[in-house]
Amino acid sequence: NAGVTQTPKFRILKIGQSMTLQCTQDMNHNYMYWYRQDPGMGLKLIYYSVGAGITDKGEVPNGYNVSRSTTEDFPLRLELAAPSQTSVYFCASSYAVNEQYFGPGTRLTVT
Amino acid sequence: QKEVEQNSGPLSVPEGAIASLNCTYSDRVSQSFFWYRQYSGKSPELIMSIYSNGDKEDGRFTAQLNKASQYVSLLIRDSQPSDSATYLCAVPFASRDDKIIFGKGTRLHILP
Repeated sequence: NAGVTQTPKFRILKIGQSMTLQCTQDMNHNYMYWYRQDPGMGLKLIYYSVGAGITDKGEVPNGYNVSRSTTEDFPLRLELAAPSQTSVYFCASSYAVNEQYFGPGTRLTVT
Repeated sequence: QKEVEQNSGPLSVPEGAIASLNCTYSDRVSQSFFWYRQYSGKSPELIMSIYSNGDKEDGRFTAQLNKASQYVSLLIRDSQPSDSATYLCAVPFASRDDKIIFGKGTRLHILP
């Protein structure tokens, strides 16, 4: 099992550009999450999903969108990138409210 | 009170000693508790889960839970330089639709 995979590993965006961060899990987990982590700071929940077709906002959803059309995939869309979105983004999955397993992360810089 | 509170550290512990990491939480009905380790530049990795009051041991790691005091701790015995990392405490909160709330983490530094 690959677990949780994320692409790309690194990306540099110009202000105003858009991009999609990909996340896929092969553990048949129903719950999936997107977090961001700024340098030296804790994890902040952006969006989460409890199953295909169901998504909900976390603490810091502004500037992001998600979709969950399959159990395996949970892409995160950034529209009109801003320097404040420079961060490391982690995707995670879990079976219900249980241990979360994290992907390797995407390091995003917006300049 | 913060929802999940940890001392940010850094906590410096000599190699071979016991490292003790503490976490308090504010949701009285929380039933499960998790410890994650995060190396610098890497993603969090689950190292321990605990659901019942008392101790749970896994190798050099022991998780201790006291629900009455709303306190969970992680002990690392025979600390190694490879244990140097940030340790995150995570707790599902019924008041937040069971969303898992992460503490900000404690930085642990094992001194060779």
